[in-house]
Amino acid sequence: DTGVSQNPRHKITKRGQNVTFRCDPISEHNRLYWYRQTLGQGPEFLTYFQNEAQLEKSRLLSDRFSAERPKGSFSTLEIQRTEQGDSAMYLCASSRGAGGYTFGSGTRLTVV
Amino acid sequence: TQLLEQSPQFLSIQEGENLTVYCNSSSVFSSLQWYRQEPGEGPVLLVTVVTGGEVKKLKRLTFQFGDARKDSSLHITAAQPGDTGLYLCAGGNRGNQFYFGTGTSLTVIP
Repeated sequence: DTGVSQNPRHKITKRGQNVTFRCDPISEHNRLYWYRQTLGQGPEFLTYFQNEAQLEKSRLLSDRFSAERPKGSFSTLEIQRTEQGDSAMYLCASSRGAGGYTFGSGTRLTVV
Repeated sequence: TQLLEQSPQFLSIQEGENLTVYCNSSSVFSSLQWYRQEPGEGPVLLVTVVTGGEVKKLKRLTFQFGDARKDSSLHITAAQPGDTGLYLCAGGNRGNQFYFGTGTSLTVIP
């Protein structure tokens, strides 16, 4: 069990560019979550998958954001036309059922 | 929208002191979790409490869930520098997401 893996760890991009992040959850976990965390704040919920189905999306997830989890394994989070306000730590977590989360180390996005 | 308020926001204490961190909400939660997060890393789950009034101990850490399941506290006895980090509470309902508090940043000075 290697835990939840997120790539890349850091991403610097110019405003207006598209970025994609990847999350590999713990293999036996059927639930996968994306959260966003800015400095001085707790994580904010973005979206949730159970297996391959995206069951819940936050209003924070504008139409520039899209998440997928093909075949119920890894997940990707894409941000199109990035804005400076998108700069944050993007955290992925997985769980088996409704238990506690196991978080990855996150992807730190900086939009310049 | 942050449904959980944590206090204090920042705490700096000397090694060996005791401390308590609070997590309060006007909402009722079916379960509440505490996490510890170090800079540049994701939060790590410490404990889950599900029953009103429940008390759980993890070595020098004592967690309590309020009787009405709206609040919780974390007490650390004889704090050590390794306890330094951001402590987050997170409340969950029968839905599929947890709502996180704003966190308490703890610094333990050797």
